[in-house]
Amino acid sequence: EPEVTQTPSHQVTQMGQEVILRCVPISNHLYFYWYRQILGQKVEFLVSFYNNEISEKSEIFDDQFSVERPDGSNFTLKIRSTKLEDSAMYFCASRRQGIQPQHFGDGTRLSIL
Amino acid sequence: AQSVTQLDSHVSVSEGTPVLLRCNYSSSYSPSLFWYVQHPNKGLQLLLKYTSAATLVKGINGFEAEFKKSETSFHLTKPSAHMSDAAEYFCVALMNRDDKIIFGKGTRLHILP
Repeated sequence: EPEVTQTPSHQVTQMGQEVILRCVPISNHLYFYWYRQILGQKVEFLVSFYNNEISEKSEIFDDQFSVERPDGSNFTLKIRSTKLEDSAMYFCASRRQGIQPQHFGDGTRLSIL
Repeated sequence: AQSVTQLDSHVSVSEGTPVLLRCNYSSSYSPSLFWYVQHPNKGLQLLLKYTSAATLVKGINGFEAEFKKSETSFHLTKPSAHMSDAAEYFCVALMNRDDKIIFGKGTRLHILP
């Protein structure tokens, strides 16, 4: 069964550095999402992406964040200048058109030093 | 306002006894509803989905959920808990008219030996 894959599984970065988290959604899916989960807390919505543009974003998704689908297969989340509070698990999800569930990747654990 | 409420942040049951995880939604129309499970350091795995067909939905690992429109509920049940069921469970709504996805805050299920 096709899966959403995320790389790397763990990223350690110095505060202030840029980081790019990568996701390969399932190939026939059209909607793409990023979520984050701070350790021990709930899953928080960051952004949704459809038809090559952001369809919705949360208050967390400020100017430091951006998403891109550069080549029709990857879906990336960039954090421009990381802060300590960006340390979290980041999940990518995708789904097909219509009333379909999201499929999640296993996440990237981002640790900011 | 659209919302998903998981009434219990933690539920503890003994192994072999029934599980009930509660979820209520608020919406002016019936959404599609999903339950996901998250084991430690893992992504979210789809347990089951309700998409306006049968109101009693069977999922993986012996879980099932019943959609009750009159109660705006979609509670998750399992007749007999297993130690491997210990995890975080999320109720998620897909608002079909605007494609908005809303997460509940999650319920952590503890299984007592």
